[in-house]
Parts: sequence; structure tokens; C-alpha cells
Amino acid sequence: QKEVEQDPGPLSVPEGAIVSLNCTYSNSAFQYFMWYRQYSRKGPELLMYTYSSGNKEDGRFTAQVDKSSKYISLFIRDSQPSDSATYLCAIPRETGFQKLVFGTGTRLLVSP
Amino acid sequence: NAGVTQTPKFRVLKTGQSMTLLCAQDMNHEYMYWYRQDPGMGLRLIHYSVGEGTTAKGEVPDGYNVSRLKKQNFLLGLESAAPSQTSVYFCASSYPRDRRSGANVLTFGAGSRLTVL
Repeated sequence: QKEVEQDPGPLSVPEGAIVSLNCTYSNSAFQYFMWYRQYSRKGPELLMYTYSSGNKEDGRFTAQVDKSSKYISLFIRDSQPSDSATYLCAIPRETGFQKLVFGTGTRLLVSP
Repeated sequence: NAGVTQTPKFRVLKTGQSMTLLCAQDMNHEYMYWYRQDPGMGLRLIHYSVGEGTTAKGEVPDGYNVSRLKKQNFLLGLESAAPSQTSVYFCASSYPRDRRSGANVLTFGAGSRLTVL
């Protein structure tokens, strides 16, 4: 079983839709969780991070963690064509030097 | 403020040739990393460095060497390129902990696309 699993998509939605992107993970010791966004032919950039369980909201984006199910989600409200990108979840594998484990990424396409 | 700069952006090599990818950061970050990104595999850590003069192996280090002679630069070398090393290579840098979140927040370069024939 991979440490972090993510549906590769692509996920195609119309503009204005609510998008749900998800990752599952296997190591219950993980304490915080990140989402990176990667536009085509660019490097990933940090979108959001959240600790432990619960929700964190930033504008149209909400990150949600369910540690009991080992499941993390990223919701995008009122999706825009500019949200079209690949979204990668990232989780630090260990304390101390925190090597990040990345999901394979979900490609999102938002059509006008 | 350029962030993380990678050179070259594109390169085509023949099997057995050698080359070096250069990464430079101007954020005074302690940590630097080299990842490769392949379809269906995600980002995989090749080598990393926690400070000038230090390097360590990541998940997929075989066939690569690195050096960090200066804090701002991190070089990735391929001594004898193989077709399996065809990939997009990303350099990243970070502080040990982000001052606000305490997390390890990476800043990535734009990538270097390498094709080995």
C-alpha cells in the first residue's frame, strides 16, 4: 500500500462548481497535511496546510482532515478556469527532518 | 527576488552522457532538495541537503550525485545517463520550519525537462 494515494483524474467540472479533491494515507502518525497546486509546466506551490483533524478555510478553498479515516480533502467553491491545475497532497513522513511524501496529484479542468 | 532558479530548462542526452543540473535560491534557505516527477509516480526525492557542505540520499538516489558547495546552490549530476532517467526534475528549498506554521514549506523551481535517448 502506498503511503499516500490520490486519484489522478482528470476531473472535469464547469465553472462555478464545487470541487472535492481527496487523498488517503496509511501512517496514522502524520500530524499535518499540505496541498500543493501545480500549473502545467510549472513547479508546485503551497496552497494550504492544516494540522490534525478538522477544517481550515482560505477564501474559496477549504482543507479538511479526518484522521480516524486517514482521509484528507480539499474543497474548492465557485471553481474558476484559473483553478485548472494539478493538486498534490503532501504529508511529512517523519518528525525532525520532515521528508514530504507527495500524492501523485489530481488533474482538475474547469471549463468556462 | 527570483526564488528558486533551475538551469537548463530542457536538455536531451544520449545514453551514457553526463550532465549537471544547477539549482540556485536567493531566499537564504538552509534546506535544498532534488525531486523527479514521472507520470503516475508523483514527486520522488532524489537527494537533499540540510546545509552547506552536506548531502543525503532520498528515495531514489541511484545514478545521481549532488553537491552543495555554497548555501545558495545545489547541483544534481548524472554521470552516465540512462533512458530511465528521462523525467522532469524539480529543485526545491525551505527553512527547517516555516516561521508561521512550523511546517516544512518547500519553494519549488520551474523544473528541468530531461530526455535520455
